[in-house]
Amino acid sequence: DTAVSQTPKYLVTQMGNDKSIKCEQNLGHDTMYWYKQDSKKFLKIMFSYNNKELIINETVPNRFSPKSPDKAHLNLHINSLELGDSAVYFCASSQVRGWGTEAFFGQGTRLTVV
Amino acid sequence: RKEVEQDPGPFNVPEGATVAFNCTYSNSASQSFFWYRQDCRKEPKLLMSVYSSGNEDGRFTAQLNRASQYISLLIRDSKLSDSATYLCVVIRNTGNQFYFGTGTSLTVIP
Repeated sequence: DTAVSQTPKYLVTQMGNDKSIKCEQNLGHDTMYWYKQDSKKFLKIMFSYNNKELIINETVPNRFSPKSPDKAHLNLHINSLELGDSAVYFCASSQVRGWGTEAFFGQGTRLTVV
Repeated sequence: RKEVEQDPGPFNVPEGATVAFNCTYSNSASQSFFWYRQDCRKEPKLLMSVYSSGNEDGRFTAQLNRASQYISLLIRDSKLSDSATYLCVVIRNTGNQFYFGTGTSLTVIP
């Protein structure tokens, strides 16, 4: 069973389109994230939700809108896609434990805007 | 200033070599520290946590210096399978936000 699963794995779309990426975790974690990894491989946090509530919203264009219907799901909708949105988007989840915290990542969605 | 800074490399080392990666973090309120590994076109995965007293896991040793805000990872007896990007990760004491370094690329050569 995949702990954090996101779909689709690959997404090729034209500029101006609207697309969504879905993420689900079966770990029972309270916190979920969206990260963007650009061509230089830098992982930058976009959003973080804790128990369905937005707790982190980095400087991200408002064309990006996360939605968390329940604490196991965090979807990302992107409006009016631009060339610069091409990147790998990773969903992750984490939970604070007595021994520390570990983030588990989905396999990534490779978005290409043409 | 970036939250976490790493030398991006690349590091190209022969099999059996010892290699060390360094990382600095800017926020003294940072509480938790990790090394993650990311293989090409894969997701990051936890390699090891970094504890204040330093810790070892097989061929891997992690060290933390809070005074200098510095974290290190030492890999002994490098294997071909160690080739990957190693990401330094820091969590502040507020919330669960993971701050990633840019990663250090390692290639172990036969």
